[in-house]
Amino acid sequence: AQSVAQPEDQVNVAEGNPLTVKCTYSVSGNPYLFWYVQYPNRGLQFLLKYITGDNLVKGSYGFEAEFNKSQTSFHLKKPSALVSDSALYFCAVRDIGSASKIIFGSGTRLSIRP
Amino acid sequence: DTGVSQDPRHKITKRGQNVTFRCDPISEHNRLYWYRQTLGQGPEFLTYFQNEAQLEKSRLLSDRFSAERPKGSFSTLEIQRTEQGDSAMYLCASSLPSTRGRETQYFGPGTRLLVL
Repeated sequence: AQSVAQPEDQVNVAEGNPLTVKCTYSVSGNPYLFWYVQYPNRGLQFLLKYITGDNLVKGSYGFEAEFNKSQTSFHLKKPSALVSDSALYFCAVRDIGSASKIIFGSGTRLSIRP
Repeated sequence: DTGVSQDPRHKITKRGQNVTFRCDPISEHNRLYWYRQTLGQGPEFLTYFQNEAQLEKSRLLSDRFSAERPKGSFSTLEIQRTEQGDSAMYLCASSLPSTRGRETQYFGPGTRLLVL
């Protein structure tokens, strides 16, 4: 069965420093991977996705993610964190056994201190 | 705002009552999804429509839950005889079709349900 794991419940970073939010996946075949962000009392906003091609995927708000097949990882990164980046981040994988289902991780709360 | 919209945003009900939520997808998105998110967890898939056809249902969708999309546009999710365990955020998403699952799902703001 397909799954994603987000090993850190919380990540704390100082503003201006680089940030990384970790995600590992377990799939059979080629994975379709996604990152979403959720601000308080709001729905999920799409950040980026990996389908095929370049291992470094660029997304919204200056975020990027690196697909690493050998480590089965898809970590989210940003070179310089902003306080406004503080939110809940979800990694997700397309369930290849389903017509269109996405399987989400448990989320990582990112806190950027001024 | 041309994103996915959901109504109501919040709903408080008593155990045993029926509730209905509405989702309006992004215009021209023929795929529509419902997810449920409980506190501290990621969203879990409930069901999926392509146009008016309900093509997939999760085992999470008990007999008390029913979803419809009668004209292939907006969708409703009804929960009958609500239980306290139904308290959650109900998220709707929509997408355009894409080959082999490459589509991006865009989410609405959610409906937060509290069952007392």
